[in-house]
Amino acid sequence: NAGVTQTPKFQVLKTGQSMTLQCAQDMNHNSMYWYRQDPGMGLRLIYYSASEGTTDKGEVPNGYNVSRLNKREFSLRLESAAPSQTSVYFCASSEDRGPWNEQYFGPGTRLTVT
Amino acid sequence: RKEVEQDPGPFNVPEGATVAFNCTYSNSASQSFFWYRQDCRKEPKLLMSVYSSGNEDGRFTAQLNRASQYISLLIRDSKLSDSATYLCVVPGNAGNMLTFGGGTRLMVKP
Repeated sequence: NAGVTQTPKFQVLKTGQSMTLQCAQDMNHNSMYWYRQDPGMGLRLIYYSASEGTTDKGEVPNGYNVSRLNKREFSLRLESAAPSQTSVYFCASSEDRGPWNEQYFGPGTRLTVT
Repeated sequence: RKEVEQDPGPFNVPEGATVAFNCTYSNSASQSFFWYRQDCRKEPKLLMSVYSSGNEDGRFTAQLNRASQYISLLIRDSKLSDSATYLCVVPGNAGNMLTFGGGTRLMVKP
């Protein structure tokens, strides 16, 4: 059981470039999430997918798009990267939507935009 | 008022000490609470869930004070391996999503 995996682990982009962060889970969870973590800010929810086929905006969705490709995979796309998107990105999954469900996190992607 | 507030620390304590962190939250309707642990440059992992007045797991005790809207985490007999950042997590004001605090950093020294 790998849990939640993310690729890549590190990435450097120039302003205006695009990229997709990949996330997969093997726990048969229904819900998946994308967060960003900045120093002193805590984790902030970008987008989530309560179940396969649905996606919803979180607290900070601007500049991002997501795709729930199937039950296992949930990708995050930056169409035109900006320096303000320099951050650590975590993908997470939970059995179901709802605050009582433990969320399991991937190892994170460290993104720098120059 | 921020949805979740934590003292960022760091809390520097010697091995064997007892240390406590508080976390205040603004959503009075919250029913479930969590403490996550995050090691340096690693992902957060669930430490404890708090659904009623409190929860105890070995050296760790989490308590909930609904009237004052805060939860606390008490660590007894601190170990070097307890050095980490502890994230307070509560349901957000919008929908059923979770809101993470900025974390409290603990450093346990020999």
